[in-house]
Amino acid sequence: QVQLVQSGAEVKKPGASVKVSCKASGYTFTRYYMHWVRQAPGQGLEWMGIINPSGGSTSYAQKFQGRVTMTRDASTSTVYMELSSLRSEDTAVYYCARNSGSFLYWGQGTLVTVSS
Amino acid sequence: EIVLTQSPGTLSLSPGERATLSCRASQSVSSGYLAWYQQKPGQAPRLLIYGASSRATGIPDRFSGSGSGTDFTLTISRLEPEDFAVYYCQQYGSSPPWTFGQGTKVEIK
Repeated sequence: QVQLVQSGAEVKKPGASVKVSCKASGYTFTRYYMHWVRQAPGQGLEWMGIINPSGGSTSYAQKFQGRVTMTRDASTSTVYMELSSLRSEDTAVYYCARNSGSFLYWGQGTLVTVSS
Repeated sequence: EIVLTQSPGTLSLSPGERATLSCRASQSVSSGYLAWYQQKPGQAPRLLIYGASSRATGIPDRFSGSGSGTDFTLTISRLEPEDFAVYYCQQYGSSPPWTFGQGTKVEIK
């Protein structure tokens, strides 16, 4: 069965960076693009970007251009999302989600808290 | 970028009642590539409907989706206690970017 398992919660100070991982299993890793979506406390879903696990190409939401980097390690079937220059407004749950047009499979979410 | 506007923001209903949720797009959604998700507190979103009207695997038939162009609807024919949650629409026809509506909360009256 398809599983997306994300890394654990993080607490970061303003200005720092965070790197969240998403390990895929149960399917051929390189066949499906992967998205990252975040959700601030009490707020809606916000699309951040997408990565092609096969070639590593990416597309980011304009809001995060210059601050987000998505990478992958095909040898471990893992994608990563790194967000830099963190501010309090980046406190959110970050999800990976496998692309099938719509998002059928989601990771469990990683809470990132930005606090001084 | 396609902006999705959901209404109402909150729907207060009783179990057994019918729920009708709306999602309006700022421009036509290509090929009806519109999905609906359900989210409960502390959980990841769950795909209910894709392609505007196709139920995802395992989704009960009390959930149905309809619409095309710029106007889409999610209907829950008879609310069960487990259906009280937040619902999001999403378009994936003109992407990137993929965009979500702001959500409709269905709460117990």
